[in-house]
Amino acid sequence: QSALAQPASVSGSPGRSITISCTGTSSDIGGYDFVSWYQQHPGQAPKLIIYDVNKRPSGVSGRFSGSKSANTASLTISRLQAEDEADYFCGSYRSSSTLGVFGTGTTVIVL
Amino acid sequence: QVQLQQSGPGLVKPSQTLSLTCAISGDSVSSNSVAWNWIRQSPSRGLEWLGRTYYNSKWYSDYAVSVKSRMTINSDTSKNQFYLQLRSVTPEDTAVYYCARGVPAHVHGWDFDFWGQGTPLTVSS
Repeated sequence: QSALAQPASVSGSPGRSITISCTGTSSDIGGYDFVSWYQQHPGQAPKLIIYDVNKRPSGVSGRFSGSKSANTASLTISRLQAEDEADYFCGSYRSSSTLGVFGTGTTVIVL
Repeated sequence: QVQLQQSGPGLVKPSQTLSLTCAISGDSVSSNSVAWNWIRQSPSRGLEWLGRTYYNSKWYSDYAVSVKSRMTINSDTSKNQFYLQLRSVTPEDTAVYYCARGVPAHVHGWDFDFWGQGTPLTVSS
C-alpha cells in the first residue's frame, strides 16, 4: 500500500506558524473527508489531534487546525511552542481492499 | 477514560506465530459504535494499519491485504480484550505493534482516538 506523501521535516521559530502537507490521490484524500492527523513524541504512541479533516478531539489545543484542498490535506500549527517538536502523521480512508493509509511522517523542529 | 493495555512477547523466531493481547478499560469490546484495531510502525514501512474487529449484530474482522493470509483478529467479551495472531513471521514483521480504538465500517471515518502503549517486536532466530 503506497503511503501518503509528507515532507520529511518542517521547522519554525517559537510563536510562528507552520503548515505540514499530506498528498494523496482521488481514492483517498480527494475522495473522502476522513483525514486525520497524529502527533508522536519519541517513545510514545501516536496521539490523535485532528479527525474528519478539521475537527479537534476534546482537550487538543486550538493551535492545531486542519484543512483539505483536492488531493492534499494540511495541518497548521499556530504560535509554535517547544512542546510541539515531534513527529506528525496524516491518515486517510482509502477506497481499496486495505481500508486506509498513513502518511510518511514529518518531523517538526522548533528552532 | 478509555485505556488500552497491551501484552505479548518482544521476541519471536522466524516462521513462528506472534500473539498479542489488548485489554480494554473504559469501553466495551462489543460496543457497536467503535472498532478495535491493530497498527504497526517500523522505520522501513512507517505506520501500517493491519486490521480491525467490531461488533454490529455479529462480529466482523477486516484485514490489510499485506497480512490478510497470515493474520487473525478476534476478541473475548468475558475478558473485554481483543487479540492479534500473525502466523509465519519473518524479519520484515519486526516493528512496534499498537492496538487502537477506531471507527467501524457502518460508522464512516478513519481515525484512531485511543492507543495502547506499543509492543516492540523483534523477529530473529
